[in-house]
Amino acid sequence: DIQMTQSPSSLSVFVGDRVTITCRASQSISSYLNWYQQKPGKAPKLLIYAVSTLRSGVPSRFSGSGSGTDFTLTISSLQPEDFATYYCQQSYSIPLTFGPGTKVDIK
Amino acid sequence: QVQLQQSGPGLVKPSQTLSLTCAISGDSVSSNSATWNWIRQSPSRGLEWLGRTYYTSKWYNDYALSVKSRITINPDTSKNQFSLQLSSVTPDDTAVYYCARATFNWFDSWGQGSLVTVSS
Repeated sequence: DIQMTQSPSSLSVFVGDRVTITCRASQSISSYLNWYQQKPGKAPKLLIYAVSTLRSGVPSRFSGSGSGTDFTLTISSLQPEDFATYYCQQSYSIPLTFGPGTKVDIK
Repeated sequence: QVQLQQSGPGLVKPSQTLSLTCAISGDSVSSNSATWNWIRQSPSRGLEWLGRTYYTSKWYNDYALSVKSRITINPDTSKNQFSLQLSSVTPDDTAVYYCARATFNWFDSWGQGSLVTVSS
């Protein structure tokens, strides 16, 4: 199985801050990396697929980059509605696996 | 717009079988361009993909090794839904269970989630 790790596990930030979350795969997954946002009590929502393609309706302050084993999710200017937990997921091989999540909360 | 509506009991006794159903609207369980998945989430395991069913000329299933001996995912074309059965449950199977559609192996539509507690 491909193991996914994320860092940091949590971070406290101000509205307007730039946020960068890192995701690492235990082996190369090419560009098969996706990002989700989850708010308490809700299902995860797809934000970005194939490393850098924003799902329709996702604000342009979100961006993704990387390839191989190392990937990043960047939020250019954090908005109040962005406080949530973010997960990466590899879609390279079965079993599909997720990272442990990064919780972004208010400083 | 695809919508997934989950149903099933929220409490299951140890050693019994957990059963959940996911009703699909806005797409077909027989679609050639999607797979139909079950995922669970717990504090100890995080988000864990359990398995999927999909149709490309015939029906296929893939299951996570961690549950492979206990899991069955079945499509129901007459009702446009799919189901999860997990047998011989223990308290470690307590989790929020989600159904989800995947296209190209990313999950673009999710059910509302079902908290299933395994307890006597």
